[in-house]
Amino acid sequence: DAKTTQPNSMESNEEEPVHLPCNHSTISGTDYIHWYRQLPSQGPEYVIHGLTSNVNNRMASLAIAEDRKSSTLILHRATLRDAAVYYCILRDNYGQNFVFGPGTRLSVLP
Amino acid sequence: GAVVSQHPSRVICKSGTSVKIECRSLDFQATTMFWYRQFPKQSLMLMATSNEGSKATYEQGVEKDKFLINHASLTLSTLTVTSAHPEDSSFYICSARVTLQRGIQETQYFGPGTRLLVL
Repeated sequence: DAKTTQPNSMESNEEEPVHLPCNHSTISGTDYIHWYRQLPSQGPEYVIHGLTSNVNNRMASLAIAEDRKSSTLILHRATLRDAAVYYCILRDNYGQNFVFGPGTRLSVLP
Repeated sequence: GAVVSQHPSRVICKSGTSVKIECRSLDFQATTMFWYRQFPKQSLMLMATSNEGSKATYEQGVEKDKFLINHASLTLSTLTVTSAHPEDSSFYICSARVTLQRGIQETQYFGPGTRLLVL
């Protein structure tokens, strides 16, 4: 699986938008971009995933660069409950498991 | 989204005993489940891939005789930590792969985790 690079940590103020970047310059044409988040003492929670087009759901938006070498997870209004470690993971449709990197630890300040 | 449960959520045991952790997919069938381990301040590390009706595939460095995995049905996989020692204390997380109805995209859903403390 191709590797992803994320900042170790980010901070945001409550009720402000948050843009979490992910670089994946070695992404292959069949790799999907998956985002998960992990709250303290919980299992990872699915956030969103996409292939080429930008994606929106009730939790977040995923903006994918035209060359697919990077993507950005957008939380439109951060809340204190969004404080978590966010993982950006690549995997093709027939891949086995997800390989977790260190992720980005997001802190949300009141 | 799909729901994956784990039981127990927390377990404390004495060194040398065995502990069984259950992972269930509640509203879907999972032919493939995965077991991860996570130590404090670290990311998830895959231990093994569990396929229904066949032997699990273990990652390098994971002792298959110590971490017994059984995937007897499409909704249940179990991980048994045999002869547990304090260094086995960790957060164990299972996940199940889901094929969405469109049949094109799939993702994985994770259980809430089981925290094991071996005294």
